Amino acid sequence: GEDVEQSLFLSVREGDSSVINCTYTDSSSTYLYWYKQEPGAGLQLLTYIFSNMDMKQDQRLTVLLNKKDKHLSLRIADTQTGDSAIYFCAPKAAGNKLTFGGGTRVLVKP
Amino acid sequence: KAGVTQTPRYLIKTRGQQVTLSCSPISGHRSVSWYQQTPGQGLQFLFEYFSETQRNKGNFPGRFSGRQFSNSRSEMNVSTLELGDSALYLCASSTRAGTDTQYFGPGTRLTVL
Repeated sequence: GEDVEQSLFLSVREGDSSVINCTYTDSSSTYLYWYKQEPGAGLQLLTYIFSNMDMKQDQRLTVLLNKKDKHLSLRIADTQTGDSAIYFCAPKAAGNKLTFGGGTRVLVKP
Repeated sequence: KAGVTQTPRYLIKTRGQQVTLSCSPISGHRSVSWYQQTPGQGLQFLFEYFSETQRNKGNFPGRFSGRQFSNSRSEMNVSTLELGDSALYLCASSTRAGTDTQYFGPGTRLTVL
């Protein structure tokens, strides 16, 4: 089955850019999603990219996809304290099933 | 549009009991997927229902079951609860069309004592 790997932790200063990385194994993934989870809450959809794209920009968020290396990244520009959360990448392959990485905890320091 | 709603938000049960969780999807969404989130295993897919039929199933024992009603609301049931079933149970709804993006509810926090 699909394996999705993310680094565990990222610390960043307020105003800097954050880059969260994700690698996956299933090359048939059609859409790749990024979700954000704050303490005690569900998952909030941030953005997604279709597998035939290599970049997507959405306000402060930039998603880069390297399909050959099966590598996905999420860049958050001008990181704010409200961006402190856990970020999950989730490729979707056959059917409607998302496979989640372990999540990257982002801590924004003032 | 109202988002995905899940009830109850919190539950405490004891080992051996059974539990039923409910999920109401976004209006117009006919697919409901369930996920279990634990600190040890992360987020794992349980099953998906679309048009009242189970379409996909994850790798969970038969104690975990679900159903979907004609109004697309879904319930999941866990029988003979074990301590390891303590988790946040999340449901997500989608249209199963276009980008087919899944939108998540706030979750039900189940604690098994």
